[in-house]
Amino acid sequence: GAVVSQHPSWVICKSGTSVKIECRSLDFQATTMFWYRQFPKQSLMLMATSNEGSKATYEQGVEKDKFLINHASLTLSTLTVTSAHPEDSSFYICSARQGWNAGELFFGEGSRLTVL
Amino acid sequence: GQQLNQSPQSMFIQEGEDVSMNCTSSSIFNTWLWYKQDPGEGPVLLIALYKAGELTSNGRLTAQFGTTRKDSFLNISASIPSDVGIYFCAGQGFTGGGNKLTFGTGTQLKVEL
Repeated sequence: GAVVSQHPSWVICKSGTSVKIECRSLDFQATTMFWYRQFPKQSLMLMATSNEGSKATYEQGVEKDKFLINHASLTLSTLTVTSAHPEDSSFYICSARQGWNAGELFFGEGSRLTVL
Repeated sequence: GQQLNQSPQSMFIQEGEDVSMNCTSSSIFNTWLWYKQDPGEGPVLLIALYKAGELTSNGRLTAQFGTTRKDSFLNISASIPSDVGIYFCAGQGFTGGGNKLTFGTGTQLKVEL
């Protein structure tokens, strides 16, 4: 299948700082990427849909000023957690759509954020 | 957000046994998918189902798209130690949800040698 890569795979930061996570589709172009958050032993919860060249669409309850999403090119979307707090500590996972079928949606390896 | 109900929540089985898990929803979906997630990794697609009633196999894995469009099951035959992990179902709806996926609550599989 297609490859989606996230960076960094893990990050530790101090409370109040901002952290940027990158999501890249390595061998295909993705007009749409999705960002999920996963707490320990829980399922994936969709945070936002990132569309290339336009504003992201956020799910209900997700603060768009807190979680800034930029999709500047067809192969890169970034999620910035601004003024991070310990409760933002989580596993953040992106996915990128290669085609129109749901089975053509590929996930990154995830990025573990720990806020001290 | 909405979640799909998966059962069982966890399973502890002997190597070589068959495994069955299912996923139910109060909403209709037009696509069902099954993923496996290893610790610290992103989900990996196992099987995608696009038609109600469809039965699809991928090696030792078999999944079916329920005829009501509100459920799906996954079977794993002759389990092996590397089957350990968390299995998630996911559904994609007809309208409103667009291309978004709704994930199930997960089934953790543990295999005893």
